Amino acid sequence: RKEVEQDPGPFNVPEGATVAFNCTYSNSASQSFFWYRQDCRKEPKLLMSVYSSGNEDGRFTAQLNRASQYISLLIRDSKLSDSATYLCVVSTVSGGGADGLTFGKGTHLIIQP
Amino acid sequence: NAGVMQNPRHLVRRRGQEARLRCSPMKGHSHVYWYRQLPEEGLKFMVYLQKENIIDESGMPKERFSAEFPKEGPSILRIQQVVRGDSAAYFCASSASLNTEAFFGQGTRLTVV
Repeated sequence: RKEVEQDPGPFNVPEGATVAFNCTYSNSASQSFFWYRQDCRKEPKLLMSVYSSGNEDGRFTAQLNRASQYISLLIRDSKLSDSATYLCVVSTVSGGGADGLTFGKGTHLIIQP
Repeated sequence: NAGVMQNPRHLVRRRGQEARLRCSPMKGHSHVYWYRQLPEEGLKFMVYLQKENIIDESGMPKERFSAEFPKEGPSILRIQQVVRGDSAAYFCASSASLNTEAFFGQGTRLTVV
């Protein structure tokens, strides 16, 4: 399986600050990109898809840089409830078959009061 | 519209027994992924299936583990002759097609005693 790499952190950030994560992927044929959020001992939940033009959902902004093969997630005005592990996910269909979804190991974010 | 359903939520097995984990994908989804997560670790890909076909099983241990997704009924992850190292959370995710977002079930927590 192709690699998806993330800084595991933890990122310790004061409440109200802005924080950004990057994720790099190795397969240039990757086609779709997502950010997921996982709380302790629970299932990952889709946070947002990442489009080529970049996209924003409230305090969250995701961007894709195909040339450098990375995606980013920016969280503005961070809340205590944003504390979680953020997973970068890449979807690839290779010529010899379907690779499907590949998850990074996650970046652990801790928002401090 | 029910989400991804996994059962059982918790499963306790003695060493040497068999464990069967079930995953019913969301309605209309024909792609299923299985992941394993050890405590304090990231998601580890196991297998990717479409109806009646295994597409990618590169993350499955060569022995004791098998998966299926029959034409009718849930996807099954089967672990034969379980050992203590198999204790983990097993998550299933489904998607409508390649390159679309996947949704996770709540997981099955397997404990081998």
